[in-house]
Amino acid sequence: NAGVTQTPKFQVLKTGQSMTLQCAQDMNHNSMYWYRQDPGMGLRLIYYSASEGTTDKGEVPNGYNVSRLNKREFSLRLESAAPSQTSVYFCASSAHNEQFFGPGTRLTVL
Amino acid sequence: GENVEQHPSTLSVQEGDSAVIKCTYSDSASNYFPWYKQELGKRPQLIIDIRSNVGEKKDQRIAVTLNKTAKHFSLHITETQPEDSAVYFCAASSYYGNNRLAFGKGNQVVVIP
Repeated sequence: NAGVTQTPKFQVLKTGQSMTLQCAQDMNHNSMYWYRQDPGMGLRLIYYSASEGTTDKGEVPNGYNVSRLNKREFSLRLESAAPSQTSVYFCASSAHNEQFFGPGTRLTVL
Repeated sequence: GENVEQHPSTLSVQEGDSAVIKCTYSDSASNYFPWYKQELGKRPQLIIDIRSNVGEKKDQRIAVTLNKTAKHFSLHITETQPEDSAVYFCAASSYYGNNRLAFGKGNQVVVIP
């Protein structure tokens, strides 16, 4: 089992460009999450999906959209990237309480 | 919503000594308290967790204690080794919050050989 996978690993964007971060899990988990991690700020929840077909805002949703494509996949879209969105993005999934994290995507917005 | 705070932000210990990190939480409905370890450039990984019906849990050199009255929980690492150097995050969640985790800002632990 691959667990939680994310693509791409690294990305550099110019201000105003758009992109989609992909996440997939093969553990048959119902819940999936997107976090951003900034120095000294811990892990902040952007959006989550408690089950296929549902999505909800987390702590810092502005500037992002998500799609729960099916039970396995949960994507995060930046429509118009801003330098403030420079961060490391982690996807996670869970069946009950324990969350399993993907390897992360390091995004730089110039 | 839940607010989780961690202290101290950085902790340096001599190899072989013990390290203790404390977290406080605000929501008395929280019932699940995990600790994650994140090595440099890696993903966070669960190392131990505790539920609100238990006061202490141990797994080899690590342990977690929970004080529901005071709303704090602590991670204890004994006989520290260089590979324990990492950032440690505590978190809390409740069923009423859809089991979403609220994370603390993290503690950098440095084990000095």
